[in-house]
Amino acid sequence: AQRVTQPEKLLSVFKGAPVELKCNYSYSGSPELFWYVQYSRQRLQLLLRHISRESIKGFTADLNKGETSFHLKKPFAQEEDSAMYYCALSESAGGTSYGKLTFGQGTILTVHP
Amino acid sequence: EAQVTQNPRYLITVTGKKLTVTCSQNMNHEYMSWYRQDPGLGLRQIYYSMNVEVTDKGDVPEGYKVSRKEKRNFPLILESPSPNQTSLYFCASTSWGHYGYTFGSGTRLTVV
Repeated sequence: AQRVTQPEKLLSVFKGAPVELKCNYSYSGSPELFWYVQYSRQRLQLLLRHISRESIKGFTADLNKGETSFHLKKPFAQEEDSAMYYCALSESAGGTSYGKLTFGQGTILTVHP
Repeated sequence: EAQVTQNPRYLITVTGKKLTVTCSQNMNHEYMSWYRQDPGLGLRQIYYSMNVEVTDKGDVPEGYKVSRKEKRNFPLILESPSPNQTSLYFCASTSWGHYGYTFGSGTRLTVV
């Protein structure tokens, strides 16, 4: 079974401070990892995909297969980053369960001025 | 505009009265999925579909039905809703190799 754990329900930082949202996963196969963001009263939006190795809105995330982690980081937090962040895992494309996407419980990030 | 459309946005119903929440996508995506979002539990997958007439259970399928007769539509059916199905529901779609679901705006369901 695949599982995603986000150990922090709430995370508060001040503007300009570094931020790290933790994500650990459990999966026996080859996973695809994602970060989604949900701003207040808005739909979920895809923020990052680990296969793209991209930086979106200053956020980056590195897949660490040894530690089974996919932590989300940003060196200088902004007030507009305040939102709910979800880490999610799916089987790699080509797998029979590709459409099954499992989410963590989410972390509410609050960036104070 | 590429999007996933859910209807209705808000729904209040009574226990036992069958209801359907519709979901439609205009991106020709093969994969579609339903999630429920509850405080402290995050998003949990109810059902997903890999293509027309192909569906599979997610993590919390009990009390729900789905069908995929057309590629663009993936309705969620509650045959006999109960109060524990009060939740915020999201429909989502993606395509093979696209990576990452596109989500609808959500349907807030209250069962009294």
